[in-house]
Amino acid sequence: SQTIHQWPATLVQPVGSPLSLECTVEGTSNPNLYWYRQAAGRGLQLLFYSVGIGQISSEVPQNLSASRPQDRQFILSSKKLLLSDSGFYLCAWRAGYAYGYTFGSGTRLTVV
Amino acid sequence: KQEVTQIPAALSVPEGENLVLNCSFTDSAIYNLQWFRQDPGKGLTSLLLIQSSQREQTSGRLNASLDKSSGRSTLYIAASQPGDSATYLCAVSPGGGADGLTFGKGTHLIIQP
Repeated sequence: SQTIHQWPATLVQPVGSPLSLECTVEGTSNPNLYWYRQAAGRGLQLLFYSVGIGQISSEVPQNLSASRPQDRQFILSSKKLLLSDSGFYLCAWRAGYAYGYTFGSGTRLTVV
Repeated sequence: KQEVTQIPAALSVPEGENLVLNCSFTDSAIYNLQWFRQDPGKGLTSLLLIQSSQREQTSGRLNASLDKSSGRSTLYIAASQPGDSATYLCAVSPGGGADGLTFGKGTHLIIQP
């Protein structure tokens, strides 16, 4: 069966520090991968998605970037965090357009 | 731009009641619609996926319907239990080769024992 792993679960980082969140999927190949952010009092916002290695689509211009160095690995990064980057970050995958999304357990990021 | 609205924003009912959560979307050109459950501080758990060609899906005490032409979906929960307390999210997947879900803001459900 397929599983999705996200880490770390929680993270407290100072303003201006770098960020790296990692997401991996097991039990499938060539998944579509997604990063979402859920900020306090706001809905879930799509940040990036990828349909293949090295292919990244950005939905919202911001202080973040994403990379897909391997088929089942998706990384969310920032060179310098802002207070506004605080939130709950969720990774998700699906097998293709006709399939549903499966989400990871999320990373709670607090920028102080 | 697709917009998804969920009504009500919050709902508190006694255990055992049947209830309906509503979701509407502005662009009917969707590929499918998915209902999720989110417990506090946790990730999303998929409940039901309805393809655009389908009218409804059922899983246990849950039944979701889809009226694509009118831009509406409902999630029906039968015989509610305290363990059903959570936030329920509706999300639509676009057609036309686009990607990514558009979410509503959710319905916060409390089932009173």
